[in-house]
Amino acid sequence: QVQLVQSGAEVKKPGASVKVSCKASGYTFTGYYMHWVRQAPGQGLEWMGRINPNSGGTNYAQKFQGRVTMTRDTSISTAYMELSRLRSDDTAVYYCARDPLPAYYFDYWGQGTLVTVSS
Amino acid sequence: QSALTQPASVSGSPGQSITISCTGTSSDVGGYNYVSWYQQHPGKAPKLMIYDVSNRPSGVSNRFSGSKSGNTASLTISGLQAEDEADYYCSSYTSSSTLDWVFGGGTKLTVL
Repeated sequence: QVQLVQSGAEVKKPGASVKVSCKASGYTFTGYYMHWVRQAPGQGLEWMGRINPNSGGTNYAQKFQGRVTMTRDTSISTAYMELSRLRSDDTAVYYCARDPLPAYYFDYWGQGTLVTVSS
Repeated sequence: QSALTQPASVSGSPGQSITISCTGTSSDVGGYNYVSWYQQHPGKAPKLMIYDVSNRPSGVSNRFSGSKSGNTASLTISGLQAEDEADYYCSSYTSSSTLDWVFGGGTKLTVL
């Protein structure tokens, strides 16, 4: 069965960077795009960007351009999302979500990773 | 402010039907048949309920249905059950220059 398992919670200081991992299993990792979506406490969902695990190509929301980097390691079927220059309003649960190409929706989600930014 | 507009809350009694609206623009909801709906219980990850406006993934109850008219999409839940109480989010692909996918602000469904 398809599973996306994310890394554990992180606490970071303002200005630092965080790197969240998302390990995929149960399907061919390189056959599906991976998206990253975040949710601030008590707030809605916000799309951050996506990566094509086959080519490594990325698309980022303009809001995060210059601060976010999405990468992958196909040898271990894992996608990564790194966010730099963290601010307090980056405190959120970060989710990875699979896109069943060719499609425009997210059929499987990771369990989420809480990133807390606090001095 | 979210790109897609949803009511903050809706409620219904067990057995009743409710509809949640999701209003966007011609650049997203109105321009593409790529609206999806997600259910989220507290502390859990979102779960896909409807994709491409009106399609249900395998395993999702046929009590859930989706539709679209112009720039507004709708999720209807019939025969409400206690387990349906959750937050619901719509999403759409968008031709915006600043991002590719947009979400609604979410709707809290209360089963009375």
